[in-house]
Formats: sequence, C-alpha cells, structure tokens
Amino acid sequence: EPEVTQTPSHQVTQMGQEVILRCVPISNHLYFYWYRQILGQKVEFLVSFYNNEISEKSEIFDDQFSVERPDGSNFTLKIRSTKLEDSAMYFCASRGGNYGYTFGSGTRLTVV
Amino acid sequence: RKEVEQDPGPFNVPEGATVAFNCTYSNSASQSFFWYRQDCRKEPKLLMSVYSSGNEDGRFTAQLNRASQYISLLIRDSKLSDSATYLCVVPMNTGFQKLVFGTGTRLLVSP
Repeated sequence: EPEVTQTPSHQVTQMGQEVILRCVPISNHLYFYWYRQILGQKVEFLVSFYNNEISEKSEIFDDQFSVERPDGSNFTLKIRSTKLEDSAMYFCASRGGNYGYTFGSGTRLTVV
Repeated sequence: RKEVEQDPGPFNVPEGATVAFNCTYSNSASQSFFWYRQDCRKEPKLLMSVYSSGNEDGRFTAQLNRASQYISLLIRDSKLSDSATYLCVVPMNTGFQKLVFGTGTRLLVSP
C-alpha cells in the first residue's frame, strides 16, 4: 500500500534555530498538507499546497513557516526561528481523488 | 458551537461491551464525515467514512443525523485492541478539502 514518508521521526532543536521537516507524498497525489498536534490537543490544519503553490493556510501558519516542493517528490515544511510553543507532532498528508487522505507517521519536534 | 465537538472521555469499558461516541458539527453545509482512529503518538488512520445516513463495517457502525448535525460511532463487542482515541473529522467544503478534527474521544478497553 502506498505510504507518505516523513523524516526525521524525531527532531530536537534549540529555540531560535531553523528546522526543515521532510515528507515524500504518494507519487500520483496532487494535494499536500501539513497538520500539527500539540501534545494532548487536537490535530490542527496548517497549510494546503496544490499546483506548486499554497492554496490555503491557517492563522497558525505565520511568516515563520514556509513550504516547498523543491524537486517534484519531496514536500518540506520550514520553521525559520523555532519557539518553545512549536513543539508538537507534525503530520504531512497527501490526497489523490475526492477524499483519499493518507497521513505520514509524523515528525515529533521538540524545541528546547 | 465549535466546528467539531466530541466528549473527550475517557470511556472505560470491559471487553465485549458496546460503546458509542458522539460528535456534533457546526457547518450545516458539510456533506461528508469521517471517523479516524489515533493510537498514542501515531498518525490518524481512517476508520470509516460517512456520506449518507450511515455506514457499517463489521463491529463498527457510524450514523449521521443531518437535522441535528450529529454523528455517532458505535463499537460492538469491544476488543482490547480497540483502545485508542477516536477522532471525528469533517472536511471543509473548500476546493482543497482541509480536514477539521475534533479533540477525540479516548477509549480504554480492559480485560
């Protein structure tokens, strides 16, 4: 069964550092997403990406965040200057047809 | 009303019990709904989709009441392996179908 692959599985970074979270979506999917889940809280939408541009973003997705699809296979989330409150699980997802969402196994980001 | 609202639980039930979870949603225009299962520190995994009045898959039954904007998930004959958090999820009717998640209901099935 096709998978969405995320790396690394766990990232520890110092406050103020830049991090890049990587995702390889399912190859024939067209829509890409990042969600995050702070420990003990609900899963929250960050951003959707289609046709090489951001299609929608949430209030959480401020200027510290950016996404890229640099080479047609990888889909990255960059946090420019991490804050303690950015500590969370970050899930990448991709979608093909109407509702076929597939989530990756997530990257646990710990900001210290 | 919150976009998607669930009772957080936990629901503690013995093996073999029947348990039901409820979810309410605020957007009356929503057409489809999902129940996802999430194990601790893992990704959400799709359990069931609900497009009309309901759906059944083995021990799991989902029902939709559009008039009351209410979705339920019924689990019959609970197994230890059913212990998880169950997420009610509503896609937004925008072109890009972002998902709005409830906070989840935690289920603990004991021997």
